[in-house]
Amino acid sequence: QQQVKQSPQSLIVQKGGISIINCAYENTAFDYFPWYQQFPGKGPALLIAIRPDVSEKKEGRFTISFNKSAKQFSLHIMDSQPGDSATYFCAASNNNAGNMLTFGGGTRLMVKP
Amino acid sequence: KAGVTQTPRYLIKTRGQQVTLSCSPISGHRSVSWYQQTPGQGLQFLFEYFSETQRNKGNFPGRFSGRQFSNSRSEMNVSTLELGDSALYLCASSLGLAETKQYFGPGTRLTVT
Repeated sequence: QQQVKQSPQSLIVQKGGISIINCAYENTAFDYFPWYQQFPGKGPALLIAIRPDVSEKKEGRFTISFNKSAKQFSLHIMDSQPGDSATYFCAASNNNAGNMLTFGGGTRLMVKP
Repeated sequence: KAGVTQTPRYLIKTRGQQVTLSCSPISGHRSVSWYQQTPGQGLQFLFEYFSETQRNKGNFPGRFSGRQFSNSRSEMNVSTLELGDSALYLCASSLGLAETKQYFGPGTRLTVT
């Protein structure tokens, strides 16, 4: 059962553009929503995370928007750079259930120079 | 501070064999989680250990097992390997239970022939 749905599966953006990746979840017990970035041959690296008590969190060029009523959250990458080309995963967890992360299917981002 | 280390990085096994993978968490981290990553199923949670006790288990058959030692290092074992067990096995560590920030290692690439 896929509890976190991520879209699109792949994305091509021009350098300087905005990359937007969306996720939707089903389990209302989720209370922590991180985004991970993964380069080929590497493990996922935590980019930015949000809790449902805020609607937006920004760190540098990365912004998470969170809509609790719609059970959706998204990652915006401003001024996208070729070095941002990677696979991005959204995830969700319930703190009462430990550190278990439920991941979305991933989005392969390519930023063209 | 050294990151999460996993050994070996690459492994080739034959169907029916068993395999043991090792994970050393970041110094001071007491929680270790394991994930399986495949192109078809994405990132799936296997299990989580804290203070040498399994705290959570994902939806995997009993052939998948793990343990954690007093120094927080963890091992996972897969017995009677099947072709479908070919995957990247990722270990993630965090300070404690429900600490949210998880740091992933580079993974062990297991190929079953």
